[in-house]
Amino acid sequence: KAGVTQTPRYLIKTRGQQVTLSCSPISGHRSVSWYQQTPGQGLQFLFEYFSETQRNKGNFPGRFSGRQFSNSRSEMNVSTLELGDSALYLCASSPRDSHNEQFFGPGTRLTVL
Amino acid sequence: GQQVMQIPQYQHVQEGEDFTTYCNSSTTLSNIQWYKQRPGGHPVFLIQLVKSGEVKKQKRLTFQFGEAKKNSSLHITATQTTDVGTYFCAPKTGTSYDKVIFGPGTSLSVIP
Repeated sequence: KAGVTQTPRYLIKTRGQQVTLSCSPISGHRSVSWYQQTPGQGLQFLFEYFSETQRNKGNFPGRFSGRQFSNSRSEMNVSTLELGDSALYLCASSPRDSHNEQFFGPGTRLTVL
Repeated sequence: GQQVMQIPQYQHVQEGEDFTTYCNSSTTLSNIQWYKQRPGGHPVFLIQLVKSGEVKKQKRLTFQFGEAKKNSSLHITATQTTDVGTYFCAPKTGTSYDKVIFGPGTSLSVIP
């Protein structure tokens, strides 16, 4: 099976812009979770989607949003970018839910200038 | 809320030495997972522990779940340069609807 794929792999934006990141889970996986990883804060949970429904949300402002499509592909959107949003955004998929083994994608490295 | 600590934060060892990282939770866990992230890579699942006092081995790696199910450890025997990376624990409190929390990680450097 193909692994989790994320696009784009690298992105440079300026403050105030918005960005959309995409994640394609492993075929058959219905749960997709998103994480923000920074050197200072580690792996921070953003949200989890299961069968197109947001099942859980981390402690991030409303500028961070996501959705999941019927084919389990997921997107996350960050509006009004701030410098502090620069991070590696990781997507992980799981057959049932995020409390089972998660398979991570390579991530999208976002730089906000 | 749930607090997760991992110690040490960093560890530098000579190749061939042993290494241990500890994960401590403020609440009783239903299970715990361990992940490894190589420099420049993404987290990769290593193992899941479920039972109190459980010990699992993967070649040179030994994982243990505490008797009280509030802590866990990962021990690597005779480290190799391929063991370099950050080891994260992901403790689970039991319900599918709880947020997933990762520990801050232990970064391992191996000096050849």
